[in-house]
Amino acid sequence: QKEVEQDPGPLSVPEGAIVSLNCTYSNSAFQYFMWYRQYSRKGPELLMYTYSSGNKEDGRFTAQVDKSSKYISLFIRDSQPSDSATYLCAMSETGRRALTFGSGTRLQVQP
Amino acid sequence: GAGVSQTPSNKVTEKGKYVELRCDPISGHTALYWYRQSLGQGPEFLIYFQGTGAADDSGLPNDRFFAVRPEGSVSTLKIQRTERGDSAVYLCASSATGGTNSPLHFGNGTRLTVT
Repeated sequence: QKEVEQDPGPLSVPEGAIVSLNCTYSNSAFQYFMWYRQYSRKGPELLMYTYSSGNKEDGRFTAQVDKSSKYISLFIRDSQPSDSATYLCAMSETGRRALTFGSGTRLQVQP
Repeated sequence: GAGVSQTPSNKVTEKGKYVELRCDPISGHTALYWYRQSLGQGPEFLIYFQGTGAADDSGLPNDRFFAVRPEGSVSTLKIQRTERGDSAVYLCASSATGGTNSPLHFGNGTRLTVT
């Protein structure tokens, strides 16, 4: 079993929809949680960064962390065709710089 | 340029050959990371440099893989006796300080194909 599980999709939604992306994990030592967006043939770019449990909002993006359930989410409001990409969750332990990534969810926003 | 630069963008080599992949981090960034991404998977950690030294090389899969950063800037990932299973996109990232809240900036990767 992988340390971080993520549904690969693809997830197809109409423009303007609210998108929910999720990851589960098994390592209770993970304290730092991130969401990256990756366009085809490009490197990942950081969208959201959260420490421990709680919510964080940035524009159309909201990240949630529930450490008791070992479950993190990314919500995208008013989705746009330009949001079509692969979304990767990533996590790390205190004191370690190595990130453990999920396998990514491919999102398609239809105009 | 302002971002992380990786060369070459594509590399095709024969099984058993030696390859070198280069990473130019963002100027002034002290931390540098190598990751490997196989098709349909997320990036997998290989090694992390703080300055010139490898602070964590626990992700290197075996002794065929080696990385250096002799002057604390450019880094080279070296793979000896390549195998078909080494085919993947090799991603380099840098961050300003290496702290846990210092975001990673990724390059676009080198796509390695071993035939």
